[in-house]
Amino acid sequence: QSALTQPASVSGSPGQSITISCTGTSSDIGGYNYVSWYQRHPGKAPKLIIYDVSDRASGISNRFSGSKSGNTASLTISGLQAEDEADYYCGSYTSSLTWVFGGGTKVTVL
Amino acid sequence: QVQLLQWGAGLLKPSETLSLTCDVDGGSVSGYYWTWIRQSPGKGLEWIGDINQSGVTDYTPSLKSRITITLDTSRNQVSLKLGSVTAADTALYYCARRVAKWFDPWGQGTLVTVSS
Repeated sequence: QSALTQPASVSGSPGQSITISCTGTSSDIGGYNYVSWYQRHPGKAPKLIIYDVSDRASGISNRFSGSKSGNTASLTISGLQAEDEADYYCGSYTSSLTWVFGGGTKVTVL
Repeated sequence: QVQLLQWGAGLLKPSETLSLTCDVDGGSVSGYYWTWIRQSPGKGLEWIGDINQSGVTDYTPSLKSRITITLDTSRNQVSLKLGSVTAADTALYYCARRVAKWFDPWGQGTLVTVSS
């Protein structure tokens, strides 16, 4: 199972909105509504922010939203804040009954 | 709130066995799947396997011949063993609880380096 494709980096100024894409295939993202997103600050454990494509995890700000179209899922962060600077990873269930993740996107707040 | 605390050897020689343990603190291992995920240097996350409360395991095909995941319900621990390691197994290893089709929470990660 090939990894999901994410942009290596995305940047934005405080208050702006950014979107991170995550592209897979019909065997993973396109075939199931089981996309999740994780935020990882340096040296910290990854933290669930979105599950089942668009549901926010408990305690996660409504500035974070998820969506999916075809084989591509997206994570949007609106009202970008300095604390959002982190690495973000998407993940999806697959038709092989396994999980596949993206390569990660580094978000920089300018 | 459930916390996962990982521990194990961080430096191995080629052909040795990687052994990591994840203590589940603040909750029971019962009722969930417990997963190991790794990240090799410069690469993305890789699901390597999981186990449920009944001890049923699933492993990624590429590691199936070398990997063993076990669950100790009495100690609330999940363990990973990976045999015959090579430099390609150098990675940051995470344990995580699988809830339905997502992973939450995650352990703090353990860096394992394989070097002669």
